[in-house]
Amino acid sequence: DSGVTQTPKHLITATGQRVTLRCSPRSGDLSVYWYQQSLDQGLQFLIQYYNGEERAKGNILERFSAQQFPDLHSELNLSSLELGDSALYFCASSEYTAGEKLFFGSGTQLSVL
Amino acid sequence: SQQGEEDPQALSIQEGENATMNCSYKTSINNLQWYRQNSGRGLVHLILIRSNEREKHSGRLRVTLDTSKKSSSLLITASRAADTASYFCATAGSNYKLTFGKGTLLTVNP
Repeated sequence: DSGVTQTPKHLITATGQRVTLRCSPRSGDLSVYWYQQSLDQGLQFLIQYYNGEERAKGNILERFSAQQFPDLHSELNLSSLELGDSALYFCASSEYTAGEKLFFGSGTQLSVL
Repeated sequence: SQQGEEDPQALSIQEGENATMNCSYKTSINNLQWYRQNSGRGLVHLILIRSNEREKHSGRLRVTLDTSKKSSSLLITASRAADTASYFCATAGSNYKLTFGKGTLLTVNP
């Protein structure tokens, strides 16, 4: 058990809908990262927050947004969903923010039908 | 785009044999990490090697780093069926982003 909690584990929704994925980092970790994993694109970095502030941005679509709350949990919001957004979404956390060891959650499997 | 690229994409060996996976990257790095992922599960950190280190060991794992060639290798000795998983290298630059390759699928046959 990595100590990173992601909910829900599975999500099935329709095109055009909006969903929210939730992540609770390990106790004491200040950084939260979001990754998208698909068969064709591999593991793509989306965005990172450190202590409530956005720290780095990757290949995140404008339809996607994220935030980290004062209690350090994070949410990833995906809107106007398309079939191609179907993927496994991972949250990871680390104590600091300098590209150190990441602890991954078990992921949210999103299926857009 | 991916920073690291693993080679081979897939590797199948017998239990007890050694498995070697390679990773090449393009830009300068602060450190390079290897992760394991069992099918559909979260990634698990295996080992981190910093840019000023050349070799690191952890149990049955041995990682080397050649910054002049921008490459790294992961050696798993005396493999077990439980080592069957995908293995990813990830590179960390100065921009806080940890970028993953597409992974090597290792199958260890009993």
